[in-house]
Amino acid sequence: AQTVTQSQPEMSVQEAETVTLSCTYDTSESDYYLFWYKQPPSRQMILVIRQEAYKQQNATENRFSVNFQKAAKSFSLKISDSQLGDAAMYFCAYYGANSKLTFGKGITLSVRP
Amino acid sequence: DSGVTQTPKHLITATGQRVTLRCSPRSGDLSVYWYQQSLDQGLQFLIQYYNGEERAKGNILERFSAQQFPDLHSELNLSSLELGDSALYFCASSVDSGGSADTQYFGPGTRLTVL
Repeated sequence: AQTVTQSQPEMSVQEAETVTLSCTYDTSESDYYLFWYKQPPSRQMILVIRQEAYKQQNATENRFSVNFQKAAKSFSLKISDSQLGDAAMYFCAYYGANSKLTFGKGITLSVRP
Repeated sequence: DSGVTQTPKHLITATGQRVTLRCSPRSGDLSVYWYQQSLDQGLQFLIQYYNGEERAKGNILERFSAQQFPDLHSELNLSSLELGDSALYFCASSVDSGGSADTQYFGPGTRLTVL
């Protein structure tokens, strides 16, 4: 079974600075998808970014980008120019052949003004 | 706003009772997924329906069941409720065009409290 590990429970970043959130996963599959979701205090799950494993190019969405290292099974999220609204819980998720999203335990990001 | 709606937003009930959570997917989405988020278990996939048929099953208890109706809305039924069933229940939907993982868009969730 696939597992997703987010080893850092909490992180803090100064407003306007850059922060990287770590995620590793374990799988024997070669074709899969990885996601980062954001959960603000409202509890709504919001898609941040998506990466297809067959693509070598790292996905980017405005201030959000990933560092996808397939061999190392690592999928980190970089947030540039952090804003107060980025404060939330962030979940890394894996989607594979069993057609289900497997989530990590999440990391709480706080942004200092 | 993801376009996925869930009702009710909050539900408070007693142990042993049965409740029904409702989800309407985004327009055009054929797949509906149910997830449970609790403090001790984290976010867990429960079940997926595609165009009315069950497609994938996760860690769903036998006391729980779901269905997807012809208009594509879905209901999650929780029976013989226990204190440990208190959680946030999410519904998500995707187009499910086949051949690749479509992005799942989540509803706002239903907060269930079992007293």
